[in-house]
Amino acid sequence: QSALTQPASVSGSPGQSITISCTGTSSDVGSYNLVSWYQQHPGKAPKLMIYEVSKRPSGVSNRFSGSKSGNTASLTISGLQAEDEADYYCCSYAGSVVFGGGTKLTVL
Amino acid sequence: QVQLVQSGSELEKPGASVKVSCKASGYTFTSYAMNWVRQAPGQGLEWMGWINTNTGNPTYAQGFTGRLVFSLDTSVSTAYLQISSLKAEDTAVYYCARSKGKPPFTWFDPWGQGTLVTVSS
Repeated sequence: QSALTQPASVSGSPGQSITISCTGTSSDVGSYNLVSWYQQHPGKAPKLMIYEVSKRPSGVSNRFSGSKSGNTASLTISGLQAEDEADYYCCSYAGSVVFGGGTKLTVL
Repeated sequence: QVQLVQSGSELEKPGASVKVSCKASGYTFTSYAMNWVRQAPGQGLEWMGWINTNTGNPTYAQGFTGRLVFSLDTSVSTAYLQISSLKAEDTAVYYCARSKGKPPFTWFDPWGQGTLVTVSS
């Protein structure tokens, strides 16, 4: 199973909104609502931000939202804050677990 | 609170073995599965597989069979990852992560703090 495709980097200014895409295939992202997103700050463990495409765990800011269209899932962060600067990974399940390559978010 | 605490960093020589532990607290250990994820230096996340904490049955991801062993000690709510015949390319941070008891896995939460394994002569 190939890794999901994410842009290597995205950037935005404080207060703006950004979207990170995650492209898979009709066998994984396109077939199941099992996409999750993880935030990872340097030297830290990943943190669950979104699961089952658009559900937010308790304690995660409502500035984070998820969606899916066809074979592409997306993570949107609104009202960008300096603390959002991190790496973001998407993940899908289709018989096995596959992660995206990660996207580095820079808050300008 | 739900927490996973992993053992400390390891420095091993090529050909040696290493065993990483992941101690769970704050929840019923056997109600959730335990997964292992590798992150090589500067790289992304790779799922290594999972272990059923009820039966002890491990499932290894494609590309991770042969030198890995997942095991448990349910009496102390701890999962273990053992890697044998270590190679330089095994140098990575290894994470444990809790998931639903069985597939499909829709989330991993929480994660352990990670254990850096360095393989060098």
